[in-house]
Amino acid sequence: GESVGLHLPTLSVQEGDNSIINCAYSNSASDYFIWYKQESGKGPQFIIDIRSNMDKRQGQRVTVLLNKTVKHLSLQIAATQPGDSAVYFCAATETNYGQNFVFGPGTRLSVLP
Amino acid sequence: NAGVTQTPKFRVLKTGQSMTLLCAQDMNHEYMYWYRQDPGMGLRLIHYSVGEGTTAKGEVPDGYNVSRLKKQNFLLGLESAAPSQTSVYFCASSPWATYEQYFGPGTRLTVT
Repeated sequence: GESVGLHLPTLSVQEGDNSIINCAYSNSASDYFIWYKQESGKGPQFIIDIRSNMDKRQGQRVTVLLNKTVKHLSLQIAATQPGDSAVYFCAATETNYGQNFVFGPGTRLSVLP
Repeated sequence: NAGVTQTPKFRVLKTGQSMTLLCAQDMNHEYMYWYRQDPGMGLRLIHYSVGEGTTAKGEVPDGYNVSRLKKQNFLLGLESAAPSQTSVYFCASSPWATYEQYFGPGTRLTVT
């Protein structure tokens, strides 16, 4: 079955620097991906998504890159702020099989002053 | 607009006891989900529903039952709680034909 993993469980960056959080997935049939942000004591919050027919998608201060060849995606956060401190999850699904997302274990981002 | 709410926020059960977790959403979403989150792991899908009166199994359905009698509510039941069900449970909902899920604040369940 599908498995989704992240390369680093924790990441520390200086305030103002850019952050890059990586994720790998195993199922080559996965065609839709989401990044979520989870702050302490709260439920996950949608950040950005990307479909497999795209390589890159940009939002406000965030960019998701998808490399289907190596089954890898990344989340880039520009000018990281203290409010970005959280756990970030990627999730993948095959849209032909509906809503059965597989989530990665998460990367904890800490922003240093 | 409250979004997705979960009741209760915390609960402690003894092994063998039963309980029901309630999820409610006021966004008129078609899809609803129950996940569990364990330390160091991502969320795992327990059950989900694509509409009122329908449910389907997710990745880890054993030991849980669900019901969706009303569109706005999705109930998760534990008939005979086990320590392995100690976890944080999240409910989510999403509109029809999209995959953006809106999550509730979670229920922390401890089974002793």
